[in-house]
Formats: sequence, structure tokens, C-alpha cells
Amino acid sequence: SQTIHQWPATLVQPVGSPLSLECTVEGTSNPNLYWYRQAAGRGLQLLFYSVGIGQISSEVPQNLSASRPQDRQFILSSKKLLLSDSGFYLCAWSEGEGEQYFGPGTRLTVT
Amino acid sequence: QKEVEQDPGPLSVPEGAIVSLNCTYSNSAFQYFMWYRQYSRKGPELLMYTYSSGNKEDGRFTAQVDKSSKYISLFIRDSQPSDSATYLCAMIYAGGTSYGKLTFGQGTILTVHP
Repeated sequence: SQTIHQWPATLVQPVGSPLSLECTVEGTSNPNLYWYRQAAGRGLQLLFYSVGIGQISSEVPQNLSASRPQDRQFILSSKKLLLSDSGFYLCAWSEGEGEQYFGPGTRLTVT
Repeated sequence: QKEVEQDPGPLSVPEGAIVSLNCTYSNSAFQYFMWYRQYSRKGPELLMYTYSSGNKEDGRFTAQVDKSSKYISLFIRDSQPSDSATYLCAMIYAGGTSYGKLTFGQGTILTVHP
């Protein structure tokens, strides 16, 4: 069966510091991978998606970036965090264009 | 007008009640329909998904899609306190792309009282 991991689970970072969140998927090959952000009391916002190694598409222009160095690894990064980057970050995977499966999430607080 | 509208609730019911959660959508290109359950501070968990109009049943859960009315529902029978969570509907308009962009409803907070 497939499993999706995210770490860290919780992170508190000062404004201006760098960020690196990691997501890995087990039990499948060449999945589509997604990064979402869920702000408090708001819906899920798609940030990035990837259909293969090295292929990244951005949905929302901002100071975040994503990379996919390996088939089942997806990384979300920032060089300098803003207060507005606080939120619940979720990684998801799918096989093709169908249903998506979410990871446990990383709660980021920028202070 | 949002592409997907979900009854915001919150919804509070006694244990054992039948719960009905609903979403409407405006884009007839949506083809895949999903319901997620999200407990507080956890990632969304896929409950049901369907690709066509009609009903799909899984245990106490029934997903219903009416494409002609652009309306989807999730029914929970014999609701339990453990069903207390936020329920999110989601949809994908597929075809012509290699990925599916999920469009979510706003979520309905459900509380089931013992």
C-alpha cells in the first residue's frame, strides 16, 4: 500500500529565515505530487504540482519554490520567510489526474 | 460566484442521526468528485470518490452525484462521535492534462454528540 510522509510536523521560524519542507511517497512509482497551503479558517490553496522528476508548475506566484530531486520526493523551500507564509502545508499524491491522497501536514508558524 | 459552494454549517447532530452534506458546482467540466474528512490539525483523508452520476456506497457512507443538477451529497448513516470533523467536497475537471487540479468546497464542520 502507498504511504505519504511529511516532515517536520511542526515548525516555528523567524521572519527572513529559510524554509525546507520535505515530502516522500512510498509504494508507487512516478506519482503526481502536489503542495497545498491551508490557512486558518480557509480552504486549501494549490501552490505547486509536479508530474515528473524536475518538472514543477507553480499555481501562485510568491516567495516559495518547489523541487523534485527524486521520483517520490517533493521539497518546498523559501529563501526568506514572510509572516504571511504561516499556515498548514500539505503534500499530496495521485496517479494521473484522479483522486489525491494527502500527507499528515506541516504546521508552520512564522514569528 | 465560486466554482464550488458547500453548505458551511456548522452542523450538530445526536449520535445515530443521518447526516447530509452537500455541494453545488457551476462548471459542467468537473468529472471526478471526492469527499474528504479532516480532523483537527490533520491532513484530509479521502473518504469517497466517484466518476459518474449516481450513488456509491461504502459502509455507513453514501456519495451521490447528480451531474444534471450540478449537485453532490455525502450521507452518513448511524453517525458516531468519531465522525466529528470537517468534511470537504472536491472536484477535478479532467481531460487534456496530465494532472488533476482539485477545486475544494469551503468545508462543513460536523459535530456528533453522544
